[in-house]
Amino acid sequence: DADVTQTPRNRITKTGKRIMLECSQTKGHDRMYWYRQDPGLGLRLIYYSFDVKDINKGEISDGYSVSRQAQAKFSLSLESAIPNQTALYFCATSDLGGNSYNEQFFGPGTRLTVL
Amino acid sequence: QKEVEQDPGPLSVPEGAIVSLNCTYSNSAFQYFMWYRQYSRKGPELLMYTYSSGNKEDGRFTAQVDKSSKYISLFIRDSQPSDSATYLCAMTHREAGGTSYGKLTFGQGTILTVHP
Repeated sequence: DADVTQTPRNRITKTGKRIMLECSQTKGHDRMYWYRQDPGLGLRLIYYSFDVKDINKGEISDGYSVSRQAQAKFSLSLESAIPNQTALYFCATSDLGGNSYNEQFFGPGTRLTVL
Repeated sequence: QKEVEQDPGPLSVPEGAIVSLNCTYSNSAFQYFMWYRQYSRKGPELLMYTYSSGNKEDGRFTAQVDKSSKYISLFIRDSQPSDSATYLCAMTHREAGGTSYGKLTFGQGTILTVHP
């Protein structure tokens, strides 16, 4: 079984709709992250959480919100989706007590299309 | 200007070629330098990491860091079609006031195709 899972894997929605992307992990890691990936722009950090009570904005948080429901779960919401939020979204985890270079472990991604 | 710059390519080479992938960066605080590999329709996975300056070799892969030039490289020798993927450089530094390393900053990724 995958250590980091994302649901749904693919989603097509319409402008203005609220959607939620979910991430779960069985690695027991404290830290979780949400990224979006666009061609030619690489991975850009949306939000990150270093523990259940800690939520931080990344470089592109506008239009997004997150919820850390438990150590193992981190959800990303688009309150009112717009077409330029069409992208590939990745959840990742890392271990505060692990290797010092903060290796991150990624989920399989969610492909989101906003029409 | 982005903190980390990486030529997105795409790069297409014949099997057996030596591949050179590069990133430049502007933040001198970065101390750990990583290369992630991402196959099509998959999440990135850590390939190699290097601390500070110097070289590190792992099989056909060599990672180099030149902190004086703020430049890192990944070399792939005897490239194989199975090396076809997107390669992302990533960097991190200590969290402000802390002892642990925080979030990663990624380059744009280079798409590599190795054809038979």
